[in-house]
Amino acid sequence: GENVEQHPSTLSVQEGDSAVIKCTYSDSASNYFPWYKQELGKRPQLIIDIRSNVGEKKDQRIAVTLNKTAKHFSLHITETQPEDSAVYFCAASLDSNYQLIWGAGTKLIIKP
Amino acid sequence: DTAVSQTPKYLVTQMGNDKSIKCEQNLGHDTMYWYKQDSKKFLKIMFSYNNKELIINETVPNRFSPKSPDKAHLNLHINSLELGDSAVYFCASSRGTGDNSPLHFGNGTRLTVT
Repeated sequence: GENVEQHPSTLSVQEGDSAVIKCTYSDSASNYFPWYKQELGKRPQLIIDIRSNVGEKKDQRIAVTLNKTAKHFSLHITETQPEDSAVYFCAASLDSNYQLIWGAGTKLIIKP
Repeated sequence: DTAVSQTPKYLVTQMGNDKSIKCEQNLGHDTMYWYKQDSKKFLKIMFSYNNKELIINETVPNRFSPKSPDKAHLNLHINSLELGDSAVYFCASSRGTGDNSPLHFGNGTRLTVT
């Protein structure tokens, strides 16, 4: 079955710098890759997603890249701000499949 | 208007008790889920229902029993609570099957078993 590994488990960056979180997946048939952000004490919320027919997707300061050959995808956050501090989860799934396979999460700390 | 609402927000109880957590969504979604998030923040799916039909039943002790009276509700009943059940339980919903629509999570129920 699918397995998703996420690195690093904790990432500390200076405010204004960029942050990159990486995930690898095992099932080459996976074709949907969302990223969720969970602020402290809050619920996870979708921030961006990408499907396998696209290599990159951007939304303001966040972007996701997908390398299908290497089976990895990454979340990029530029010009980090204090409100970016949160736990970020990657996930992978197949179309016609209800079940997302989740990464273990990355705690992003933005240092002032 | 809260899209996915679950109650209670906090639940403190003793070992051996039975408790329920309720979840309702007003998004018109067909699929609902229960997730468990432990102290290490890992999100683990427990159950998923599509139009009241159980479609995912992960390796969860049979002390946990989900019930979906209609597609807008998915409740979780837990019998004989154990210390290891302490966690945050999230209900979620999504539009349906086969389209990988985003999950909408409730605000979570923090269960503490003493």
